[in-house]
Amino acid sequence: NAGVTQTPKFQVLKTGQSMTLQCAQDMNHEYMSWYRQDPGMGLRLIHYSVGAGITDQGEVPNGYNVSRSTTEDFPLRLLSAAPSQTSVYFCASSYSRDSYLGTEAFFGQGTRLTVV
Amino acid sequence: GENVEQHPSTLSVQEGDSAVIKCTYSDSASNYFPWYKQELGKGPQLIIDIRSNVGEKKDQRIAVTLNKTAKHFSLHITETQPEDSAVYFCAASGGPTGGFKTIFGAGTRLFVKA
Repeated sequence: NAGVTQTPKFQVLKTGQSMTLQCAQDMNHEYMSWYRQDPGMGLRLIHYSVGAGITDQGEVPNGYNVSRSTTEDFPLRLLSAAPSQTSVYFCASSYSRDSYLGTEAFFGQGTRLTVV
Repeated sequence: GENVEQHPSTLSVQEGDSAVIKCTYSDSASNYFPWYKQELGKGPQLIIDIRSNVGEKKDQRIAVTLNKTAKHFSLHITETQPEDSAVYFCAASGGPTGGFKTIFGAGTRLFVKA
C-alpha cells in the first residue's frame, strides 16, 4: 500500500498562475481533506470530502477549489496564486467508521508551495 | 466554530525527563482526540488517541488523559529520548458536525537535549 500520495513535492508559482495539487489514496477511505500548515498556526482545514461527488469548505477555503470525482483522488486547485498561499499543503484521508465518530487521519508527505 | 488550543508552543527538556503538552477544545460534542507527531519534512503520524468514553490511555512511554467536563486533554511522554524531538499536534473530531472533520491545535515543538 502506498497510502496517501501527493504530487508535486515542491512547486514555485508566480502570482496569478494557477495549478493543481494532486492527492491520491489507495486505502478506499471515504473521507479526504486538504490542510495548509503555516508556522505557529498548526494545520488549518481548507476543504474536505465525505465521499465521491461531495465536498465542503473548511476553515480557510478562499482561493481554493476542490472536486471529488472518484474515491481515490482529491485534487486541490489554486485558481490565481497569491503570495499569501505560500505554505506547506497536506492531504489526508480517513475511513468511515460512523459519520458521528472521529477516526485516524493518514497524511501524505506534503507539497511545499512558494508563490513569488 | 470548533477550536483547539495547544500549549506550550515550544518545550525543551533534558533526556530522561518527562514532557507534558496540554490542549483544550471548544466543541463539547467532540468524541475523538488523537495526537500526531511530525518529523522534519514529513506528514503528521498518529502516535496515540483517546475516545470520549475513556479517561486515560497508555502506550509504553506515552500516555494521554482526557477531562471531558473541563474539555481538556494532555499528552505525557516519560523517559524522553532525543528521537522524541519533533512537532506534536493535538486534534479533536466527531459529533454531529462530523467525524470526518478534524481540527488541529497549533502544535508544540519538543526539543530533547542529550
